[in-house]
Amino acid sequence: QSVLTQPPSASGTPGQRVTISCSGSSSNIGSNTVNWYQQLPGTAPKLLIYTNNQRPSGVPDRFSGSKSGTSASLAISGLQSEDEADYYCAGWDGSLKGVVFGGGTKLTVL
Amino acid sequence: EVQLVESGGGLVQPGGSLGLSCAASGFTFSSYEMSWVRQAPGKGLEWLSYISSSGDSIYYADSVKGRFTISRDNAKNSLYLQMNSLRVEDTAVYYCAREGSSYGTYFEYWGHGTLLTVSS
Repeated sequence: QSVLTQPPSASGTPGQRVTISCSGSSSNIGSNTVNWYQQLPGTAPKLLIYTNNQRPSGVPDRFSGSKSGTSASLAISGLQSEDEADYYCAGWDGSLKGVVFGGGTKLTVL
Repeated sequence: EVQLVESGGGLVQPGGSLGLSCAASGFTFSSYEMSWVRQAPGKGLEWLSYISSSGDSIYYADSVKGRFTISRDNAKNSLYLQMNSLRVEDTAVYYCAREGSSYGTYFEYWGHGTLLTVSS
């Protein structure tokens, strides 16, 4: 059972906008920044969003992140087939003194 | 170009030991915090351990505390993970990851991973 809670699956059709939620607590999301990682099948994770809403160079602006209180969200607009992947939220937990991940959300592009 | 290359994975019997290495290049290794993250087959990501740029600050996940030891050699641009008392549930792909440059704890770069299988 993961410290951060994500829905196990999400889906959308090409061109749609989808959101993936990430729920935590005051010791992690509530007091620290949230990051999102994308893991394409058979590959290593890749940083998608850092510090709640910042995109690394090369990440399309179709991807956006937000945080409110003890929850965060990843939004993907203009969904494309290549967005089919697993998405993980993560952040520092001050009580556990470590990084905590969500369980991951498998995104299917229908 | 930032590169992180893990090595040392393989097949180990339960109760055995193994050491992983991560060779870093393309950046000033001694300036960055590093972590190990693993992924069991078909499962999600699990953070294992963090080490500061100088090595004087270290954290572990409860699941590996007392069994795994993280270390680094800044002169050799290398990160290590010594794993003892291995269990079947330690079977996973092990990634080394470099922290980002901006505020917050996030993994900007990842290696390709090395597979550890613990089985009799």
